[in-house]
Amino acid sequence: DAKTTQPTSMDCAEGRAANLPCNHSTISGNEYVYWYRQIHSQGPQYIIHGLKNNETNEMASLIITEDRKSSTLILPHATLRDTAVYYCIVRVATGGFKTIFGAGTRLFVKA
Amino acid sequence: DSGVTQTPKHLITATGQRVTLRCSPRSGDLSVYWYQQSLDQGLQFLIQYYNGEERAKGNILERFSAQQFPDLHSELNLSSLELGDSALYFCASSADAGTGGDEQYFGPGTRLTVT
Repeated sequence: DAKTTQPTSMDCAEGRAANLPCNHSTISGNEYVYWYRQIHSQGPQYIIHGLKNNETNEMASLIITEDRKSSTLILPHATLRDTAVYYCIVRVATGGFKTIFGAGTRLFVKA
Repeated sequence: DSGVTQTPKHLITATGQRVTLRCSPRSGDLSVYWYQQSLDQGLQFLIQYYNGEERAKGNILERFSAQQFPDLHSELNLSSLELGDSALYFCASSADAGTGGDEQYFGPGTRLTVT
């Protein structure tokens, strides 16, 4: 599975959009981009995933560049509850492949 | 609530002992994954099972073993425990239906403390 690079930490003001970048320059054509987050020591929570098109759900939007070498997770109106570690992962969708979590980005949402 | 359940929530045991962690996946999910998260460390993938068969293996120690039963629940067995095995152990499940994109849903974890 491809490796990802994310900033160690980011700050965001409450109510503003949080834009979390991820580089995955060695991504293969059949690998999806997934985003998860982990609040304190809770179980990680799935946020969104995509292959090449931009995606949006009730939690976030995912913007994938045309060459698929990077992506951005957008939380449109960050709240204090969005303070968490955000993990960007690239992985083949199904089958027997390891899921490699990096260090992620620690997002601090401030009042 | 992800629909994935794990028991027990907390476990305290001594070095050299053996413990079993249990995971029930979301209804209908065929794949189960196990992860270890040590203090201030990232999530380490241990192993994946799909419909009872081992499907992918990560950095799982030989002292650890897992299995998935016909009812799809899974158990992670940790033996000859060492202090360094103290960690949060997460189970996740996914449909793995081959339909494109396969998100994993995580349980609340089992906190293991080895003294």
